[in-house]
Amino acid sequence: SQTIHQWPATLVQPVGSPLSLECTVEGTSNPNLYWYRQAAGRGLQLLFYSVGIGQISSEVPQNLSASRPQDRQFILSSKKLLLSDSGFYLCAWSRDGNYEQYFGPGTRLTVT
Amino acid sequence: TQLLEQSPQFLSIQEGENLTVYCNSSSVFSSLQWYRQEPGEGPVLLVTVVTGGEVKKLKRLTFQFGDARKDSSLHITAAQPGDTGLYLCAGAKGAQKLVFGQGTRLTINP
Repeated sequence: SQTIHQWPATLVQPVGSPLSLECTVEGTSNPNLYWYRQAAGRGLQLLFYSVGIGQISSEVPQNLSASRPQDRQFILSSKKLLLSDSGFYLCAWSRDGNYEQYFGPGTRLTVT
Repeated sequence: TQLLEQSPQFLSIQEGENLTVYCNSSSVFSSLQWYRQEPGEGPVLLVTVVTGGEVKKLKRLTFQFGDARKDSSLHITAAQPGDTGLYLCAGAKGAQKLVFGQGTRLTINP
């Protein structure tokens, strides 16, 4: 069976500090990978998605970036966090050619 | 621009009542999914509907895809406290991406 992991679960960072959130998927190969941000109790905003190693598509211009150094690893980064970067970050995967997405447990980021 | 509008945004009802949540758009989707999310957790896929007019049942939950594939509804019969959560609809558009509605926060009071 497939599992998706995210860490850390929670993070409190000061404004201007760097960020690195990691997502890994087990039990599948060549998944599509996604990063979303969710405002409190609201819908999901797609930030980045990737259909393969080194292939990143950005959906929203911002000070965040994403990388996919390995087939089942997806990283969300920032060089300098802003207060507006606070939120709940979710990673998801889907099988190539399939729209059904499966989500990780999320990371709660608070920028102070 | 919000492509998928969910209504109501908030719903609080008593245990045993029935309810319907709507997901509407002016766009046509190749498929539509419903997710449920508990606080502090990731969304969990409930169902995918693909064909216009399709109806799927999951125990007390009934999902319907509109004939024109622009809208969907979720009906819960005899709601239970365990149904409490954030319900999200998501429509599939090109390049294997999903567009999410803003969610319906459902609270079932015992």
